[in-house]
Amino acid sequence: GIQVEQSPPDLILQEGANSTLRCNFSDSVNNLQWFHQNPWGQLINLFYIPSGTKQNGRLSATTVATERYSLLYISSSQTTDSGVYFCAATTGGGNKLTFGTGTQLKVEL
Amino acid sequence: GAVVSQHPSWVICKSGTSVKIECRSLDFQATTMFWYRQFPKQSLMLMATSNEGSKATYEQGVEKDKFLINHASLTLSTLTVTSAHPEDSSFYICSASTSGSRGTWEQYFGPGTRLTVT
Repeated sequence: GIQVEQSPPDLILQEGANSTLRCNFSDSVNNLQWFHQNPWGQLINLFYIPSGTKQNGRLSATTVATERYSLLYISSSQTTDSGVYFCAATTGGGNKLTFGTGTQLKVEL
Repeated sequence: GAVVSQHPSWVICKSGTSVKIECRSLDFQATTMFWYRQFPKQSLMLMATSNEGSKATYEQGVEKDKFLINHASLTLSTLTVTSAHPEDSSFYICSASTSGSRGTWEQYFGPGTRLTVT
């Protein structure tokens, strides 16, 4: 099956800093999603982005499907951005998401 | 829109008992629901996929007789952990999916259920 890897595994930022999280996948995808898992475990949908670029406030994402990677940009980070960020993908026309390894983000004052 | 609820949010049970977890899509009809399991500091692992009115499809290594899944309607799926043991203690998360206007299959996740078996 498809392999999904994320980097970095851990990231500590000062409030106000910018960051880029990376997601590499081993096969072509028909769905790619980014999620934020808050400290209580809830997964929040950030982007549905199998290709192209999207922006939502301080967050943006870019997927280069031909090169099999996606990037999540966080600008002007806030303490509420802390948590784990996952990317997840489906392949082969199916609808089963394979999750990446996650990036644990901590934003400090 | 696209809200998914889970109940209970946490449960403690004794070894050997069964526990039922409900997953509901509140404002849309979910043609497919998924059940995941997450251990501390690990990623989500898909356990099974369920479609309304048909039997669930389990991932390799998941015991179908231990994790019973019922998807009785387009808004409700249940996961029953039978004869629970301490190693079944975990965070269980459901998601619901429907074909959007873009023809996508975006998944929306419930808040999770933390199961502790003593």
